[in-house]
Amino acid sequence: DQQVKQNSPSLSVQEGRISILNCDYTNSMFDYFLWYKKYPAEGPTFLISISSIKDKNEDGRFTVFLNKSAKHLSLHIVPSQPGDSAVYFCAASLNSGYALNFGKGTSLLVTP
Amino acid sequence: GAGVSQSPSNKVTEKGKDVELRCDPISGHTALYWYRQRLGQGLEFLIYFQGNSAPDKSGLPSDRFSAERTGESVSTLTIQRTQQEDSAVYLCASSLAGLATGELFFGEGSRLTVL
Repeated sequence: DQQVKQNSPSLSVQEGRISILNCDYTNSMFDYFLWYKKYPAEGPTFLISISSIKDKNEDGRFTVFLNKSAKHLSLHIVPSQPGDSAVYFCAASLNSGYALNFGKGTSLLVTP
Repeated sequence: GAGVSQSPSNKVTEKGKDVELRCDPISGHTALYWYRQRLGQGLEFLIYFQGNSAPDKSGLPSDRFSAERTGESVSTLTIQRTQQEDSAVYLCASSLAGLATGELFFGEGSRLTVL
């Protein structure tokens, strides 16, 4: 049973524009959320995270927003760059435990 | 080493054979995780090792799957009598501590194809 859902398998954005990747979750007990980025033939790499006590976390061009009442989080990338083209996975953990629940990923393509 | 190392990177096997996948975590990382990603799916937690504690095997899909870890070093994931549904990329990750707060470092994965 998928507890973390990324309903858009792919997204295409022009360079310089904003990319918005969405993620929904079903378990209200999740208290820590992460985004991972994955290039082909490489393992996922950590991008940004947010604790459930916050509603926004920013790191350079990347911002994650958390809406707990809607059980929804989003990753904003602005401005988008061609090097951002990758698969982005949303993940959540319970009580900051060790097992991450991952979504299926969204493939982002940033075109020049 | 500099990162998490996994071998083999690719493995093609026949249904019914056993396979062994290896993971070398980052030196000094006490926690080690195995995940798998089947085609079109997210990463699925399999097993977790933390120091000398008993591993959490709750994610292993069947008793054909087993994993071992020697101390805080190499781990081996073994799949016995492989089935076609075992085809996936098996990812190993390690971290300094046992909290999934972003410090997981993943290897490049072992792609298993069961014919």
